[in-house]
Amino acid sequence: GQNIDQPTEMTATEGAIVQINCTYQTSGFNGLFWYQQHAGEAPTFLSYNVLDGLEEKGRFSSFLSRSKGYSYLLLKELQMKDSASYLCAVRDKGPDAGNNRKLIWGLGTSLAVNP
Amino acid sequence: NAGVTQTPKFRVLKTGQSMTLLCAQDMNHEYMYWYRQDPGMGLRLIHYSVGEGTTAKGEVPDGYNVSRLKKQNFLLGLESAAPSQTSVYFCASSEHAGTSLADTQYFGPGTRLTVL
Repeated sequence: GQNIDQPTEMTATEGAIVQINCTYQTSGFNGLFWYQQHAGEAPTFLSYNVLDGLEEKGRFSSFLSRSKGYSYLLLKELQMKDSASYLCAVRDKGPDAGNNRKLIWGLGTSLAVNP
Repeated sequence: NAGVTQTPKFRVLKTGQSMTLLCAQDMNHEYMYWYRQDPGMGLRLIHYSVGEGTTAKGEVPDGYNVSRLKKQNFLLGLESAAPSQTSVYFCASSEHAGTSLADTQYFGPGTRLTVL
């Protein structure tokens, strides 16, 4: 089957570093996305990995290992505004015509940043 | 450049009533999507469109219909609302749905629907 696993909740302290893990089992792989979603708001795009390795973007970095079906999102110098849900999504290859590739979504990791 | 917009933001319906949710994007994206998000269930794809005049079913299409008469608009209809359709509905769009960063989905602000 197709499955994405993320921890349900995490807690961290302002100024610290936190790593949010995502493991996936899908029938195909065409990229992995991380989104941030604040309570009551829409998901917003954070990062994209399609090749193995680390992608760095300011305080946020994302790592991918395709052979292990594993990714993590690293948040440095945590701020209170980073309290949000973080969604991992894998682009699979759907069965329909037009080569439409579906996104398989994890349930998200709710991160609470405490002062 | 407003990105993806949705109307209405909130709506309360009675069982059996019908309504249409409107999604509009100004990024000239080919692909558009309707999701619902429920606690403990994550984002689930209802219907999607790969271009003007085309629609296709996602994983939870029952009870919903869609239309894409114009490239920039994607409408989601509930023919006879049920309490199980109480949810937050998100529209998203992407340039393509392939394997590049250009296929990133961008979301609208959501519609919070309650069916009594």
